[in-house]
Amino acid sequence: GENVEQHPSTLSVQEGDSAVIKCTYSDSASNYFPWYKQELGKRPQLIIDIRSNVGEKKDQRIAVTLNKTAKHFSLHITETQPEDSAVYFCAASIRAGNMLTFGGGTRLMVKP
Amino acid sequence: EAQVTQNPRYLITVTGKKLTVTCSQNMNHEYMSWYRQDPGLGLRQIYYSMNVEVTDKGDVPEGYKVSRKEKRNFPLILESPSPNQTSLYFCASSPAVGQFFGPGTRLTVL
Repeated sequence: GENVEQHPSTLSVQEGDSAVIKCTYSDSASNYFPWYKQELGKRPQLIIDIRSNVGEKKDQRIAVTLNKTAKHFSLHITETQPEDSAVYFCAASIRAGNMLTFGGGTRLMVKP
Repeated sequence: EAQVTQNPRYLITVTGKKLTVTCSQNMNHEYMSWYRQDPGLGLRQIYYSMNVEVTDKGDVPEGYKVSRKEKRNFPLILESPSPNQTSLYFCASSPAVGQFFGPGTRLTVL
């Protein structure tokens, strides 16, 4: 089955800096890659996703890049703010809505 | 309001006592899933369903059952709970793009 690895497990940045979280996946059939943000005590929420037919997608301060050849994808957050502090999860699936395999999560701390 | 609801939100029970966690969505989504979240292990999928009467195992299905008799409901059944099923459980539904998570059920099995 699919295996998703996520790095780093913790990331501390200064407010205003950029943050990058990286994930690798094992199943070349995977073609849907969502990212979730989970604030303390709350449910995961979808923040951005990408399909395998595109290499990059942006939404304001967040962007995701995908390298299908190398089987890795990354989340980029620019101009970080304290409210970006949370745990971020990447995931992979052969079809959106279908079985999702999650990475282990990255705890992002943005210091004011 | 579009939402996924779960009940109960908190449950403390004893080993072997059958329990059901309900999940309901009002968005007419075809896909529904159950996950458990444990410290250091992230989110792991237990079961998922692609439509009424269509269910399949996820990564960690042992000790759990599900049913999908109606599109809106996807209950999670623990026939004989054990302490290693102590966890935070999330139900999710999907319109085939992204997943919407319920608020979570914190289960403790003594």
